[in-house]
Amino acid sequence: DAKTTQPPSMDCAEGRAANLPCNHSTISGNEYVYWYRQIHSQGPQYIIHGLKNNETNEMASLIITEDRKSSTLILPHATLRDTAVYYCIVRSVEAAGNKLTFGGGTRVLVKP
Amino acid sequence: NAGVMQNPRHLVRRRGQEARLRCSPMKGHSHVYWYRQLPEEGLKFMVYLQKENIIDESGMPKERFSAEFPKEGPSILRIQQVVRGDSAAYFCASSPAAGLTEAFFGQGTRLTVV
Repeated sequence: DAKTTQPPSMDCAEGRAANLPCNHSTISGNEYVYWYRQIHSQGPQYIIHGLKNNETNEMASLIITEDRKSSTLILPHATLRDTAVYYCIVRSVEAAGNKLTFGGGTRVLVKP
Repeated sequence: NAGVMQNPRHLVRRRGQEARLRCSPMKGHSHVYWYRQLPEEGLKFMVYLQKENIIDESGMPKERFSAEFPKEGPSILRIQQVVRGDSAAYFCASSPAAGLTEAFFGQGTRLTVV
């Protein structure tokens, strides 16, 4: 699976949009971009995934650049409960099962 | 529909004892994954199992660690002769199928070796 690069940390104001970048410059055509988050001491939680089109669900939006070398996770209205470590993961459609390779992630602190 | 259930939530073992961690996947899920998170580190894949079969154990330490997912009952991660370095949070995840589906994680078992 392609390696991803994320900033180690970022702050966000409560009520504002949080934009979390992820670089995956070596991504190949059959690899998807997944986002998970881990709230302190809890198990990781799936957020969203996409291949090349932008995706939106009740939690977030995922914007993938046209060349697919980077993406941005958008939390439209951050709340204090969104404070967590956010992981950007690239997975191949040919990968066996749901094995996930977690990097360092971005530690997001939402401030009041 | 209950989520992925792990027990115990906290486990304390003395050096040299055995630790057994249990994971009941979500209903209808036949694929189970175990991850380990050492203190202040990221999550590392350990093993992927499908009912009665180990599919990928590339992240399992070569000694003292084993995993099973029997036809009936929960998946078990077993650590024999625990050492202090085994102290970590162990997370289990399940998915309904192989491939590009989302994985659902349990709340983890925090193992402390004293």
